[in-house]
Amino acid sequence: EPEVTQTPSHQVTQMGQEVILRCVPISNHLYFYWYRQILGQKVEFLVSFYNNEISEKSEIFDDQFSVERPDGSNFTLKIRSTKLEDSAMYFCASRGQGSGIIFFGPGTRLTVL
Amino acid sequence: DQQVKQNSPSLSVQEGRISILNCDYTNSMFDYFLWYKKYPAEGPTFLISISSIKDKNEDGRFTVFLNKSAKHLSLHIVPSQPGDSAVYFCAASPYTGGFKTIFGAGTRLFVKA
Repeated sequence: EPEVTQTPSHQVTQMGQEVILRCVPISNHLYFYWYRQILGQKVEFLVSFYNNEISEKSEIFDDQFSVERPDGSNFTLKIRSTKLEDSAMYFCASRGQGSGIIFFGPGTRLTVL
Repeated sequence: DQQVKQNSPSLSVQEGRISILNCDYTNSMFDYFLWYKKYPAEGPTFLISISSIKDKNEDGRFTVFLNKSAKHLSLHIVPSQPGDSAVYFCAASPYTGGFKTIFGAGTRLFVKA
């Protein structure tokens, strides 16, 4: 069964460093998302991406964040200068045309020291 | 952003009995609702969904009920099994195919053997 994959599973970085989280969405899906979950808290929407542009973003998704679909398969989230409070599980998700169901990847645990 | 609320942080039930998880929403534009199950260190897994044109959707042991006038939905699991122990998230989007799906805070279900 097709699934969303994410790499790495765990990323440790120093505060102020840039990180890139990578995702391969389900191949025929057209809508892509990033969500995050800070330990013990709710799953929070960050950004949605469709037709090679951001369709919606939350207030969390400030200028430190960017997304890109550099080729036909990858979808990346970049955090330019990480802060301690960026430590969280980051989930990539994708959705097919005409469906309301979004499918999540296994997540990348980001630890900022 | 409290558009989707799950007011019970946890629920404990006996194996074989019914588990009822509740969810309320405030945004009347939501018309597609989903339930996800999440184990620690994994991504949310889609369980079942319902659109606003229905008031019930059933899939095996899982049934979702929607009361649009009360802006309330519930997930029934019967019979409950120990493997159902997980965090359950209610989610909603403004229209089928909408870009932004909003999650509740989750309810942790414990099913005791």
